[in-house]
Amino acid sequence: NAGVTQTPKFQVLKTGQSMTLQCAQDMNHNSMYWYRQDPGMGLRLIYYSASEGTTDKGEVPNGYNVSRLNKREFSLRLESAAPSQTSVYFCASHRDFGYTFGSGTRLTVV
Amino acid sequence: AQSVAQPEDQVNVAEGNPLTVKCTYSVSGNPYLFWYVQYPNRGLQFLLKYITGDNLVKGSYGFEAEFNKSQTSFHLKKPSALVSDSALYFCAVRVVWGANNLFFGTGTRLTVIP
Repeated sequence: NAGVTQTPKFQVLKTGQSMTLQCAQDMNHNSMYWYRQDPGMGLRLIYYSASEGTTDKGEVPNGYNVSRLNKREFSLRLESAAPSQTSVYFCASHRDFGYTFGSGTRLTVV
Repeated sequence: AQSVAQPEDQVNVAEGNPLTVKCTYSVSGNPYLFWYVQYPNRGLQFLLKYITGDNLVKGSYGFEAEFNKSQTSFHLKKPSALVSDSALYFCAVRVVWGANNLFFGTGTRLTVIP
């Protein structure tokens, strides 16, 4: 099925550990996004990529890095996880007025 | 700049009654507005969007929304609520420059009481 695939679905990290969240889309969309969802705050944009080879900061980029590996894949890296990064992370892709979201990664940093 | 306000954190409605989830927005230029629903431990599912044209937009699962330019509102409605409609609802506006991302409201939790 066409869509946005995120891995892993769940992850527990210790403070200071690193990890990469993976995202892939098969809809040939140029734009891809990483959001985080926190209770009472909706979804906030972390980073985005308007096209292959470009990335830019969103609203809450501190503590994160991203890589647009190719047109399909957009990864989010936490170099040194902190408890404040406990959240649900969503990847999305976009073309025209159609936005498709992945099923999310629930990350807990202890 | 853009903003989206969902003034109610929680909405409770009896099954079979009409429901409304409120959303107001502020954006430069033409507003492109969206509603998404999130069921527990799931991703976001698209309900409907307003881009242009008819102010009454019909979407998935019997939901509709009315775009009101003078009141800068885009309230989500359904004539008869189902228990299965209980979920978290997000209103969003498309950012018209830069990332072209969706900017989300804080969400409204809808509970339909049997």
